[in-house]
Amino acid sequence: QQPVQSPQAVILREGEDAVINCSSSKALYSVHWYRQKHGEAPVFLMILLKGGEQKGHDKISASFNEKKQQSSLYLTASQLSYSGTYFCGTEKGNNNDMRFGAGTRLTVKP
Amino acid sequence: DGGITQSPKYLFRKEGQNVTLSCEQNLNHDAMYWYRQDPGQGLRLIYYSQIVNDFQKGDIAEGYSVSREKKESFPLTVTSAQKNPTAFYLCASSIRTGPQPQHFGDGTRLSIL
Repeated sequence: QQPVQSPQAVILREGEDAVINCSSSKALYSVHWYRQKHGEAPVFLMILLKGGEQKGHDKISASFNEKKQQSSLYLTASQLSYSGTYFCGTEKGNNNDMRFGAGTRLTVKP
Repeated sequence: DGGITQSPKYLFRKEGQNVTLSCEQNLNHDAMYWYRQDPGQGLRLIYYSQIVNDFQKGDIAEGYSVSREKKESFPLTVTSAQKNPTAFYLCASSIRTGPQPQHFGDGTRLSIL
């Protein structure tokens, strides 16, 4: 039931862009994105609901393609502070029953 | 300040012992969750609770038990039946209705002695 994330890891230079993908074999109601820095708790970034919406948060945005059961997280002009592991979480219904992907480790170098 | 408190931060268990991890929140959230995090496997759902006195199994509930006697508290017991309990355990909470962000505690790292 866990969504599949890709890539598993990515290394960037400051200012470069990255895309992280999250896909599910089941129909989705919502997709959540979180970032976790080493040794810390995951921090919420954004939620997308079915309907194909796109959201933005500073230079981090995401899209949700309901038909393809996929979501993508876009990080533009990356900063050192973007480093961490990004997780997508998916819900099949409005029931607090969420599953997380295995995570994508993002490293931004000077 | 509102938040989620997990204790202890580090916990050591001897073989055959049950241990209980504490999770308390003062966010007035109805829903609470327990996840296990192993390297490279992300967050796996152990149990979740939407209201007091009710909880559901997640994907890896075997060897674990929970209770939800109070809205603020959702303790997790790792029983001796859990053969590989060494992991990082995260507790989270959220508003019950509608897709809502989950707020996480700082976690408890459990190790076998």
